[in-house]
Amino acid sequence: DTGVSQDPRHKITKRGQNVTFRCDPISEHNRLYWYRQTLGQGPEFLTYFQNEAQLEKSRLLSDRFSAERPKGSFSTLEIQRTEQGDSAMYLCASSPTKVLAGAPTDTQYFGPGTRLTVL
Amino acid sequence: AQKVTQAQTEISVVEKEDVTLDCVYETRDTTYYLFWYKQPPSGELVFLIRRNSFDEQNEISGRYSWNFQKSTSSFNFTITASQVVDSAVYFCALRWAPIQGAQKLVFGQGTRLTINP
Repeated sequence: DTGVSQDPRHKITKRGQNVTFRCDPISEHNRLYWYRQTLGQGPEFLTYFQNEAQLEKSRLLSDRFSAERPKGSFSTLEIQRTEQGDSAMYLCASSPTKVLAGAPTDTQYFGPGTRLTVL
Repeated sequence: AQKVTQAQTEISVVEKEDVTLDCVYETRDTTYYLFWYKQPPSGELVFLIRRNSFDEQNEISGRYSWNFQKSTSSFNFTITASQVVDSAVYFCALRWAPIQGAQKLVFGQGTRLTINP
């Protein structure tokens, strides 16, 4: 069973450009989460999907941010008109909705993250 | 409001010493879950433990142990006989009431642990 994967691992872009990140959750996990982590801080919640439905969005998710999970499998996070303040690590996590192999249902397993640098 | 405080920003010890990482949480809910994650230099958050609010039993897993005390709203993490490979940033996190829409984790600011040989 592979873990959560994210692509790309690193992204450098110029201010004003659009960027898109992809997250592939652990198979059979129907919940998917996005978090943002800035240097020296803990991750902050951005949004959460159950299957293809986006059920919760943080106030951190401005209208320049959009997340999708069209078929309930992988997810994309797009940032339009990037700003220097968007520079951060973007983390994706997934969790199942039932006990799988003894793991509690609400445990979130994280991917390696995408580090975004906006110049 | 839900909040997690990890007052220790950085800890540095010599290998084989025991070290305790503190975590204090705030929530008004009676049902909640507490977590510890490890973030090594590679950046990936690694799940260590999950505890629910109704289970105050301490847990031991190898060199790791966790002390959950509802009376002081604390969920502390102890590493016994620390090793260099334990060097990482450790995060405590809180999730409250398992209702739809309340799935997010609230993290503390993390404690950077350095184990020196």
